[in-house]
Amino acid sequence: AQSVTQLDSQVPVFEEAPVELRCNYSSSVSVYLFWYVQYPNQGLQLLLKYLSGSTLVESINGFEAEFNKSQTSFHLRKPSVHISDTAEYFCAVSEQGGSEKLVFGKGTKLTVNP
Amino acid sequence: EPEVTQTPSHQVTQMGQEVILRCVPISNHLYFYWYRQILGQKVEFLVSFYNNEISEKSEIFDDQFSVERPDGSNFTLKIRSTKLEDSAMYFCASSLEGVGADTQYFGPGTRLTVL
Repeated sequence: AQSVTQLDSQVPVFEEAPVELRCNYSSSVSVYLFWYVQYPNQGLQLLLKYLSGSTLVESINGFEAEFNKSQTSFHLRKPSVHISDTAEYFCAVSEQGGSEKLVFGKGTKLTVNP
Repeated sequence: EPEVTQTPSHQVTQMGQEVILRCVPISNHLYFYWYRQILGQKVEFLVSFYNNEISEKSEIFDDQFSVERPDGSNFTLKIRSTKLEDSAMYFCASSLEGVGADTQYFGPGTRLTVL
């Protein structure tokens, strides 16, 4: 079975500051890793995912995440945040070669203040 | 851009009543899912559905729950006799390929409140 831990439930930052949202996972098998974002009154949207290859993956809006197998982590970073990045961010995993169900963390609410 | 839709956005019901939550997945997707999030807790997988059959279900998905694809567009979750602890946000999702690497597309959720 897999589990995902997002230690920070809320992260407040000022606009243009860097941010890191932490995600650690536990699994006895290899996994795929995902970050989803939920803007107010909307569904969860895929931000980026790691399947294989380069451990650094990027999204189109400037976020990046790095898969670290030894640390079992997949932290999400952005060097300079914007007010519009205010949302809840969910880290999730699914099994490689197994069930397609997603196992989620509790989410981190990012609030970007002016 | 195609999206998953869910109705209603908020449902209030009395304990013991039946509720049906509705979802319209993305039209060419073949795999459908329900997840739920109890306030303050993690998003949890309930069930996956493919080719008119349940392909996987969690321990939460007991005999009180059922899913159905009544026509070519809707996907429903029925709770036969709601309990207080069923109060949660319920998310529907769909995907094209149904493998772990595939992206699941989520709807905005239905907030179920059981009184």
